[in-house]
Amino acid sequence: DTGVSQNPRHKITKRGQNVTFRCDPISEHNRLYWYRQTLGQGPEFLTYFQNEAQLEKSRLLSDRFSAERPKGSFSTLEIQRTEQGDSAMYLCASSPVMNTGTEAFFGQGTRLTVV
Amino acid sequence: DQQVKQNSPSLSVQEGRISILNCDYTNSMFDYFLWYKKYPAEGPTFLISISSIKDKNEDGRFTVFLNKSAKHLSLHIVPSQPGDSAVYFCAASARGTSYGKLTFGQGTILTVHP
Repeated sequence: DTGVSQNPRHKITKRGQNVTFRCDPISEHNRLYWYRQTLGQGPEFLTYFQNEAQLEKSRLLSDRFSAERPKGSFSTLEIQRTEQGDSAMYLCASSPVMNTGTEAFFGQGTRLTVV
Repeated sequence: DQQVKQNSPSLSVQEGRISILNCDYTNSMFDYFLWYKKYPAEGPTFLISISSIKDKNEDGRFTVFLNKSAKHLSLHIVPSQPGDSAVYFCAASARGTSYGKLTFGQGTILTVHP
């Protein structure tokens, strides 16, 4: 399977705990994106990387959130001191670097539930 | 500030008929538009896209129309099939940013009845 892979698929955690999600993009894609989707809404952009460089972060990404992409391959998204409002689907996507518009390919997401 | 809006939360059509999903945007910097389809518990799947230099793009049963002056796009599915039942998201990206950074609408739930 050469698509975008996310792990775990589901995560239930207690409020105040830290969680980490992993994303493996399509291998030839330089760009990797994180989105968050809550019920009844479309995905919202969180951050993106080009290779290992984090080029943009949304103001949605509070100080409790951190993302990394060491060596420009897989990426991790960590949420510290989770809150109930962090419950959402976290989506990863990847795309090649293009000078024109191109689609981003999404993984199946990680469903986070904070209890 | 909802820059991409899908004003119809749901749409119900009969199998074989046309489905028309609508999307409006406000940011004049958007120049690439996409439609994604999403099944429950899965990530969005790319369906079709259109650049702002075009006003129509077709791919099999799917056609996207873009009206730049009205800042409006629509997705036509003809003929509709029960397997098309899903949530459809309109998305847009802007010049001068990463083209993978997408701004999504809220989604429209399409139900196609046999």
